[in-house]
Amino acid sequence: EIVLTQSPGTLSLSPGERATLSCRASQGVSSSHLAWYQQKPGQAPRLLIYGASSRATGIPDRFSGSGSGTDFTLTISRLDSEDFAVYYCQQFGSSHLTFGGGTKVEIK
Amino acid sequence: EVQLVQSGVEVKKPGESLKISCKGSGYSFTSYWIGWVRQMPGKGLEWMGIIYPGDSDTKYSPSFQGQVSISADKSVSTAYLQWSSLKASDTAMYYCARLPGSRYSYYYMDVWGRGTSVTVS
Repeated sequence: EIVLTQSPGTLSLSPGERATLSCRASQGVSSSHLAWYQQKPGQAPRLLIYGASSRATGIPDRFSGSGSGTDFTLTISRLDSEDFAVYYCQQFGSSHLTFGGGTKVEIK
Repeated sequence: EVQLVQSGVEVKKPGESLKISCKGSGYSFTSYWIGWVRQMPGKGLEWMGIIYPGDSDTKYSPSFQGQVSISADKSVSTAYLQWSSLKASDTAMYYCARLPGSRYSYYYMDVWGRGTSVTVS
């Protein structure tokens, strides 16, 4: 089973700053099989990025995804107040899905 | 509008059985996989398993195999997650979500239900 490790655990930033979130896989993941989600308190997760770099419908272009193989990155170019949340990466492999442990982006 | 509507809050005792539901609308229910995800209080997301309502093909996470049962009734566009004997450690929020793609490609979850809170005490 592929393990996804997200870092850092918590990111403390100010509105307007750039956020860079990392997701590292224990073995290679096809780029088409890597997604990112945002979850705010009391809400269901929301799909942000699929296929490592494609934005889901309605997602602002300040969100971007990149990476390949075992290293993937979610970048938020300029943090908006509504972006402070927990972010999860997720991969698909061998008919199974796994999630990373999450990165919390909090207001500094 | 594509929607997944989940059943309501459940409070149960250890040893009781439970079946929660997830009703899809606004799309062809039989043509998309439906997945279940657990979130224990204050913790992250855990994939439990998926089902293809078209033929009820089901795949489980090794962590949940034998612990829960996933089923679907395509006549009412509803997927289910079932326990035969609940434990206190089953206390969590359970989400269902749709996996876009096809019968043989289903890589991520694009539409999520609002979750069903289960408390076992």
